[in-house]
Amino acid sequence: KNQVEQSPQSLIILEGKNCTLQCNYTVSPFSNLRWYKQDTGRGPVSLTIMTFSENTKSNGRYTATLDADTKQSSLHITASQLSDSASYICVVRANTGGFKTIFGAGTRLFVKA
Amino acid sequence: DGGITQSPKYLFRKEGQNVTLSCEQNLNHDAMYWYRQDPGQGLRLIYYSQIVNDFQKGDIAEGYSVSREKKESFPLTVTSAQKNPTAFYLCASSMSQVLVFGQGTRLTVV
Repeated sequence: KNQVEQSPQSLIILEGKNCTLQCNYTVSPFSNLRWYKQDTGRGPVSLTIMTFSENTKSNGRYTATLDADTKQSSLHITASQLSDSASYICVVRANTGGFKTIFGAGTRLFVKA
Repeated sequence: DGGITQSPKYLFRKEGQNVTLSCEQNLNHDAMYWYRQDPGQGLRLIYYSQIVNDFQKGDIAEGYSVSREKKESFPLTVTSAQKNPTAFYLCASSMSQVLVFGQGTRLTVV
């Protein structure tokens, strides 16, 4: 069964600290993996997209990693800011003839001053 | 600026009533999608359309209907047959691999 599991469900960190969010997936055949940031009551916004051959991709203070062998991805946030408080959603697309995109439930990040 | 506009942002509906959520995009994207988001769950696909005048059911299409008469517009109707319609609804479009989302409509049944 195609699944995307994210951990932790929620996380509280102090402003300025780093954190890492995890995503494990069982989607097959794999096409790509994306991380989205969703502010409360808003639509998700794409942070990174990674294909099978990419191990690391950065977008400012956000760095995503992908291990296609173990089917794991992580999103590392450096020097967190209050505006990083949001849900972070891992999304995996299957390489099938039809349309198949599986969303994780997200990690809710709270950054405190 | 190009983007996706959903309206209204908040919507209240009485039980037994149909309601239509609007989604408009000016990105010239062919594909459009409707998702439902519930607390603690990943987004679930309701309907999608890859071209004008054509649409396909997603994973949870029961109680919903859509139309795609224009490339820019993909309205979603939540019918009285949807037993648990209270949720956050997200519209998206895509040209390639990346989904671009609207700001969502929160529907509450009262």
